[in-house]
Amino acid sequence: EVQLVDSGGGLVKPGGSLRLSCAASGFTFSSYNMNWVRQAPGKGLEWVSSISSSTTFIYYADSVKGRFTISRDNAKNSVYLQMNSLRAEDTAVYYCAREVRGRGPKFLDHWGQGTLVTVSS
Amino acid sequence: DIQMTQSPSSLSASVGDRVTITCRASQNITNSLNWYQQRPGKAPNLLIYAASSLQSGVPSRFSGSGSGTDFTLTISSLQPEDFANYCCQQSYSTPPTFGQGTKLVIK
Repeated sequence: EVQLVDSGGGLVKPGGSLRLSCAASGFTFSSYNMNWVRQAPGKGLEWVSSISSSTTFIYYADSVKGRFTISRDNAKNSVYLQMNSLRAEDTAVYYCAREVRGRGPKFLDHWGQGTLVTVSS
Repeated sequence: DIQMTQSPSSLSASVGDRVTITCRASQNITNSLNWYQQRPGKAPNLLIYAASSLQSGVPSRFSGSGSGTDFTLTISSLQPEDFANYCCQQSYSTPPTFGQGTKLVIK
């Protein structure tokens, strides 16, 4: 069974840092691109970042570029999101999600349970 | 960035009703459109990918259609567990973008 477990969220002051983790199991982690998607309280989903299976391709939303860094450790079946210079508007539940790229368009077929990041003084 | 516009933002319906939710892209995205269901406090759950393909394990009362800029999600006969939030997402280009969501509530 595919499982993604998000962790690392918490309360942090503006300007602070936090590192999120997503532990994967039940599939060949090294074969899949991974994404982080966030959802501010009462708001819709916002894509944050993605990393290809071999880390060759990394992308960020403009809203986090230069502050967040995505990485992965295929030996540990984990993907990470290092978040620096955090702002109040980064407050959200952060989900990791597995990306499927078949012959057709790509999609996110499995999601972690989410981890809440609250940025407040 | 490609803008995704969903309508309606909220929909009231009864068990057994047929409902349709619409998603419009700001440019042609071919069939690169996915639909997700999200219950309160839970992670999104993939329903439909590539505009019309039903994800494994999803009941057949869910269906998707459309291509280009206009897409629809249809639930043929609402069940109690279907009252949730639904959103579309384009995967045609980076950044992938989501619609603002449709809240389906019990009438």
